[in-house]
Amino acid sequence: QSALTQPPSVSGSLGQSVTISCTGTSSDVGHYNRVSWYQQPPGTAPKLIIFEVYNRPSGVPHRFSASKSGNTASLTISGLQTEDEAIYYCSSYTTNTIVVFGGGTKLTVL
Amino acid sequence: QLHLQESGPGLVKPSETLSLTCSVSGDSINSGCFFWGWIRQSPGKGLEWIGSLYSCGTTYYNPSLKSRVTISADRSKNEFSLKLTSLTAADTAVYHCVRHPTGWYEVDYWGLGRLVTVAS
Repeated sequence: QSALTQPPSVSGSLGQSVTISCTGTSSDVGHYNRVSWYQQPPGTAPKLIIFEVYNRPSGVPHRFSASKSGNTASLTISGLQTEDEAIYYCSSYTTNTIVVFGGGTKLTVL
Repeated sequence: QLHLQESGPGLVKPSETLSLTCSVSGDSINSGCFFWGWIRQSPGKGLEWIGSLYSCGTTYYNPSLKSRVTISADRSKNEFSLKLTSLTAADTAVYHCVRHPTGWYEVDYWGLGRLVTVAS
């Protein structure tokens, strides 16, 4: 069982928006602004798309945005495209000095 | 562009030791101060951080695995390695080598991963 809770799946139509939640505790998501999001298409390695809650690495489209409120972080993908189909994982640093991950959310673009 | 490639056995017997190597290309592990680590991915436990070696300092391990893990680097070969002892079926996973740009709380480069099955 993963330390951070994500919905197992979400779906959205082409061009629309979806939001994926990541719920932790006051010892991880709620304590640090060290929340990251990764995108993993089938058969590939995860790719960093958000770091430190809301920052995008170079090359990641502006369609990907993120935020945090209390113990819950959120990733929003707007203007959905077929290539966005993937599993999305969140992670957070913790007061135990480790990093923990969510169980992953499978995004289906309809 | 940095590239990480894992190598090692795909099948290991219970109670034995797993040894994996990560070959780094596109940059030197000696350039700059970065963390180089291992993360595993299994259907049962999801993603789990194993530990990371700081190129300008010490090595950090997940307390849940610390007694069984060693991460070290061979700077002359531009690679780093993982040793995990006393294997059980619960250690079956895809093992990714990774680079962390600052602390081990985020990963900017991942290897594709090496599937390791623990079975007799």
